[in-house]
Amino acid sequence: ELKVEQNPLFLSMQEGKNYTIYCNYSTTSDRLYWYRQDPGKSLESLFVLLSNGAVKQEGRLMASLDTKARLSTLHITAAVHDLSATYFCAVDEDAGGTSYGKLTFGQGTILTVHP
Amino acid sequence: GAGVSQTPSNKVTEKGKYVELRCDPISGHTALYWYRQSLGQGPEFLIYFQGTGAADDSGLPNDRFFAVRPEGSVSTLKIQRTERGDSAVYLCASSLFSGETQYFGPGTRLLVL
Repeated sequence: ELKVEQNPLFLSMQEGKNYTIYCNYSTTSDRLYWYRQDPGKSLESLFVLLSNGAVKQEGRLMASLDTKARLSTLHITAAVHDLSATYFCAVDEDAGGTSYGKLTFGQGTILTVHP
Repeated sequence: GAGVSQTPSNKVTEKGKYVELRCDPISGHTALYWYRQSLGQGPEFLIYFQGTGAADDSGLPNDRFFAVRPEGSVSTLKIQRTERGDSAVYLCASSLFSGETQYFGPGTRLLVL
């Protein structure tokens, strides 16, 4: 059974600081997603990482994937209040070399950015 | 263009009743997914459709849950004899093809009293 673990689960940051959220998963996969969820809202796709060593960046967020370590990171640079949200990583199970979108999500990281 | 839509946005029902939750995927998306999200948790996979057929229903908790997608577009998740433990947000997502980025709807918040 695929397990996905994020840490930390709660992250309180000051504006302008940097931090990293970690996502570990337990079985083979080469397709990992990061989503953002604002309170009471649905999930917004941030990044899809498709291969070992993949790195994607958008604004103050950068995501990377190490399939050998079964680890993805979401790095936040110079945090601003607008980044406050819950961030989920989700892993697409590798079903014999074929991914069809059965996502297993981490528990989520609640990020709060303070002035 | 229009995103994934779900109706109703909120549903309050009594224990033992039957409910239907509807999902309208993005036009042209062939793959459709249902997830359930409990408070403070990540979404949990329920069922996946490719076209009209349920390709994987391994996440449905028991036989009270059933979903259909008769014409390969709109899908309905049906829950019989609802229980308080069914209370959650039910999310629908679609993707152009299976295995591609999923776009989520706003969810239906189900409360079983």
